Amino acid sequence: GNSVTQMEGPVTLSEEAFLTINCTYTATGYPSLFWYVQYPGEGLQLLLKATKADDKGSNKGFEATYRKETTSFHLEKGSVQVSDSAVYFCALSDRGGGFKTIFGAGTRLFVKA
Amino acid sequence: DVKVTQSSRYLVKRTGEKVFLECVQDMDHENMFWYRQDPGLGLRLIYFSYDVKMKEKGDIPEGYSVSREKKERFSLILESASTNQTSMYLCASSFGEPGNTIYFGEGSWLTVV
Repeated sequence: GNSVTQMEGPVTLSEEAFLTINCTYTATGYPSLFWYVQYPGEGLQLLLKATKADDKGSNKGFEATYRKETTSFHLEKGSVQVSDSAVYFCALSDRGGGFKTIFGAGTRLFVKA
Repeated sequence: DVKVTQSSRYLVKRTGEKVFLECVQDMDHENMFWYRQDPGLGLRLIYFSYDVKMKEKGDIPEGYSVSREKKERFSLILESASTNQTSMYLCASSFGEPGNTIYFGEGSWLTVV
């Protein structure tokens, strides 16, 4: 079945550091891939998405590229801010899975001033 | 903006009580979901609904039921609450077919004592 694996946290960085959060997936079809973010005390919200191989999703300085050959969708940001402290979830959805979106376990990011 | 509203942010219930968690969305979305979020486990799908009066089991439906009498409202019911159902519950909705963005409510923290 479909699955998502993302790096365990927490990840602690200083402000302006480079961020990478790794995400790999297993899917039988051709999934859409997502990164969702959860700020403290809130629900999840979409950060970015990509719907086919080699697509790059981007938003708020974050980027992720859909790599079919390595089944990966790593999240990157060139210079993190304290306000980026949150939990980040990688997720996938495909037609073969029906209406189920599969989420990774989440990676907590702490950014220090 | 899409708004998914969960009726209660924080609840404390006793073991054996019947618990209702209510969710309303204002964007005429066909699909609605209930997830449970636990540390280290990410989000797990309890039930979802792709139309009024329709429901499908997710990955962890045991001990839960749902009701969708109107398109905008999706209720999660714990028939007899137990301490292992202490968790954060997230309601979500989406439009159309799988792969579209999911919009989440802010979550309901349920403690069963």
